[in-house]
Amino acid sequence: AQSVSQHNHHVILSEAASLELGCNYSYGGTVNLFWYVQYPGQHLQLLLKYFSGDPLVKGIKGFEAEFIKSKFSFNLRKPSVQWSDTAEYFCAVSGSSNTGKLIFGQGTTLQVKP
Amino acid sequence: NAGVTQTPKFRVLKTGQSMTLLCAQDMNHEYMYWYRQDPGMGLRLIHYSVGEGTTAKGEVPDGYNVSRLKKQNFLLGLESAAPSQTSVYFCASSYSTSGRALYYNEQFFGPGTRLTVL
Repeated sequence: AQSVSQHNHHVILSEAASLELGCNYSYGGTVNLFWYVQYPGQHLQLLLKYFSGDPLVKGIKGFEAEFIKSKFSFNLRKPSVQWSDTAEYFCAVSGSSNTGKLIFGQGTTLQVKP
Repeated sequence: NAGVTQTPKFRVLKTGQSMTLLCAQDMNHEYMYWYRQDPGMGLRLIHYSVGEGTTAKGEVPDGYNVSRLKKQNFLLGLESAAPSQTSVYFCASSYSTSGRALYYNEQFFGPGTRLTVL
């Protein structure tokens, strides 16, 4: 069965620090990969996605993620975080079924201190 | 475009009561999904639909029913609410793109419904 694991549950950083959030998935076939962000009190918004091609994908607000197929990983990075990046971050995977279903990780809460 | 909307935003129920959550999307998306979000567990899929008139079970379907009578609407019903169903419920919609392969694009989420069952 597909599963997604996010290693960091709660991360606290100071502004301008670099960020890397881990995401590993288990699925043997072709996958589409997503990172979503949920700001306090808001709904989920797409940060970035990977379908194929260049394994380094860039998203909104300076975020990027690298797909490493051999490691089944899709880690999220940002060189310098801001206080406004305080949010919960979710990694998600969809496989090659004909439903578009997403499997989400448990989420990582990021707190950025000013 | 309003995107994905959900009604109501908040609701408090007593154990055993029933209710229906409404999700509507104006993007002409084929696929619609209902999730519940609980602390430390991410989002879990309750039911989904790949088109008007079709529904299927997700990861945690027990205690819920759904209907998709119109393409733009996806209803989630609780027939007899239980405290374990206290959660935040999110609806999402999506579409596919035909190319060399069929791509399932990102899901667009509604604002959520916070449900408390006493």
